[in-house]
Amino acid sequence: QQQVKQSPQSLIVQKGGISIINCAYENTAFDYFPWYQQFPGKGPALLIAIRPDVSEKKEGRFTISFNKSAKQFSLHIMDSQPGDSATYFCAASIAGYALNFGKGTSLLVTP
Amino acid sequence: DAGVIQSPRHEVTEMGQEVTLRCKPISGHNSLFWYRQTMMRGLELLIYFNNNVPIDDSGMPEDRFSAKMPNASFSTLKIQPSEPRDSAVYFCASSLENRANEQFFGPGTRLTVL
Repeated sequence: QQQVKQSPQSLIVQKGGISIINCAYENTAFDYFPWYQQFPGKGPALLIAIRPDVSEKKEGRFTISFNKSAKQFSLHIMDSQPGDSATYFCAASIAGYALNFGKGTSLLVTP
Repeated sequence: DAGVIQSPRHEVTEMGQEVTLRCKPISGHNSLFWYRQTMMRGLELLIYFNNNVPIDDSGMPEDRFSAKMPNASFSTLKIQPSEPRDSAVYFCASSLENRANEQFFGPGTRLTVL
């Protein structure tokens, strides 16, 4: 059973545009929500993460928006670049326990 | 630090053969995770060790799969006998104890079972 639902499955954005990936969860006990970035042939790498006590976290061009009441969170990539082309996974966990991953979004940023 | 090391990077085998995947976690990390990645199912957690002890193996698909962690610097995932549906990329990840939400992944082993 998928505990974290992610959409869209794939996304094409023009260079300079905004990429938006959404995730939803059901378990209100989740208290940590990371995003992982995976390039072809590599393992996923932690990109940015948020805890439910804040509604937004920004690191450079990457922003997580978190809506606790709706049990949703999203990743925004501002000024998307071709180098951002990768697969992005959202995840959720409880108190430092193992991560529950979404199915991933394949992002392609066209020049 | 070299990061998480996995071997082999690619494995092609025939149905019915035994397959052993290997992982060396980051030095000092007490937690180790094995994942399987497929297009259909995404990233699935197979098993999770803490201080060399299996904590949660509920993701191991069936008895053909087994995992061991004989010491803090080495783990294996074995499939015996292998089947074509086991074809996937298998990742190992490690983290500090009680920091399982910040995992460091290895490069993965791409397994093809013919």
